[in-house]
Amino acid sequence: NAGVMQNPRHLVRRRGQEARLRCSPMKGHSHVYWYRQLPEEGLKFMVYLQKENIIDESGMPKERFSAEFPKEGPSILRIQQVVRGDSAAYFCASSQTGYYQPQHFGDGTRLSIL
Amino acid sequence: SQQGEEDPQALSIQEGENATMNCSYKTSINNLQWYRQNSGRGLVHLILIRSNEREKHSGRLRVTLDTSKKSSSLLITASRAADTASYFCATDPDSGGGADGLTFGKGTHLIIQP
Repeated sequence: NAGVMQNPRHLVRRRGQEARLRCSPMKGHSHVYWYRQLPEEGLKFMVYLQKENIIDESGMPKERFSAEFPKEGPSILRIQQVVRGDSAAYFCASSQTGYYQPQHFGDGTRLSIL
Repeated sequence: SQQGEEDPQALSIQEGENATMNCSYKTSINNLQWYRQNSGRGLVHLILIRSNEREKHSGRLRVTLDTSKKSSSLLITASRAADTASYFCATDPDSGGGADGLTFGKGTHLIIQP
């Protein structure tokens, strides 16, 4: 499988719980981007990471949200103490380099907060 | 309004007709990209046009870019039912160095009537 893999596809959490979303980039890609999409909206950039480094987190909420891309393993988007407003589709994309390259997207994780 | 706004919001045409979608943006860009999203899926990259290019073709797709008007158009010729999807333009802003996330509009929802 050469595509961007995200799991789980659907995640249900109760308010106050933690949500962990995982993303494995395409083979050979070391640049990962996370986006959030609300219904009937476009994608909103959250964070851009390279291996072990956060390059740009200007779109991340200041509290409860964090992201990592360790040397080994997938990138993780972590949301602590989830609230109803966190319900959305979260997409991960990867690119081979960070410059002027198309981004390849996974099918997203649909997060629902009860 | 946000960077990368598509127009119209929704478009319904008969199979075989051409579909034209427009995108306007605000800041200077390195490139502009068009993506397609089928319901419940991730985004699929269609075409990337650099800021020094005016027109680009890929199969039945034709993209134009007018940097003086900060606008782009996507033309799909001889539409097919399988083209039914949401189409997004995304800009890669010229932020002076370093790769940032893409900025997406809200998309055009295209319906091809058989």
